[in-house]
Amino acid sequence: GEDVEQSLFLSVREGDSSVINCTYTDSSSTYLYWYKQEPGAGLQLLTYIFSNMDMKQDQRLTVLLNKKDKHLSLRIADTQTGDSAIYFCAESLGFTGGGNKLTFGTGTQLKVEL
Amino acid sequence: DAGVIQSPRHEVTEMGQEVTLRCKPISGHDYLFWYRQTMMRGLELLIYFNNNVPIDDSGMPEDRFSAKMPNASFSTLKIQPSEPRDSAVYFCASSPPGGAQHFGDGTRLSIL
Repeated sequence: GEDVEQSLFLSVREGDSSVINCTYTDSSSTYLYWYKQEPGAGLQLLTYIFSNMDMKQDQRLTVLLNKKDKHLSLRIADTQTGDSAIYFCAESLGFTGGGNKLTFGTGTQLKVEL
Repeated sequence: DAGVIQSPRHEVTEMGQEVTLRCKPISGHDYLFWYRQTMMRGLELLIYFNNNVPIDDSGMPEDRFSAKMPNASFSTLKIQPSEPRDSAVYFCASSPPGGAQHFGDGTRLSIL
């Protein structure tokens, strides 16, 4: 079955890079997503990557995908206090997998210290 | 553009009462999802709809939970009767076919 795992906490200093890691088990995954959740808010889509890609960069965000190890990471460059939030990794089998149904990880709480 | 709109944002009610949560998806999105988020179990998919038809309700915890989508712009999640263990944040999300899900801000439900 599908299972997505993340470490629970990450603490970084402002200005440093943050790397949030995720492992998944379903090799049929078509899309892999990163969502951000701030306190009291819903999940905000940050970025996603197709399973046939190795890397995707979007401004301060870099997503790396290692399909062999089923490992996904999100790197945030020049981390700011506004980046403090919970980050969720999610996998999907895509449209053919049932309406792009997502399986979420447990979330990583990122704390940015001054 | 308006995102997914959920109401109410907060709901506090007594055990045994009926609770109705509402969701307006993004216009043009064919899929609608209901999730529950708790500290203990994280994010759980309860049910999802495609073109107003329920496709998978295997995540609905008990018969006390029901969901409807009478038209493309409105869905409800109802709990009757409510119990303290139903306390959670309930999210609605919508997506176009094969596209990413977009979430509402959620309803924080407290059952006393």
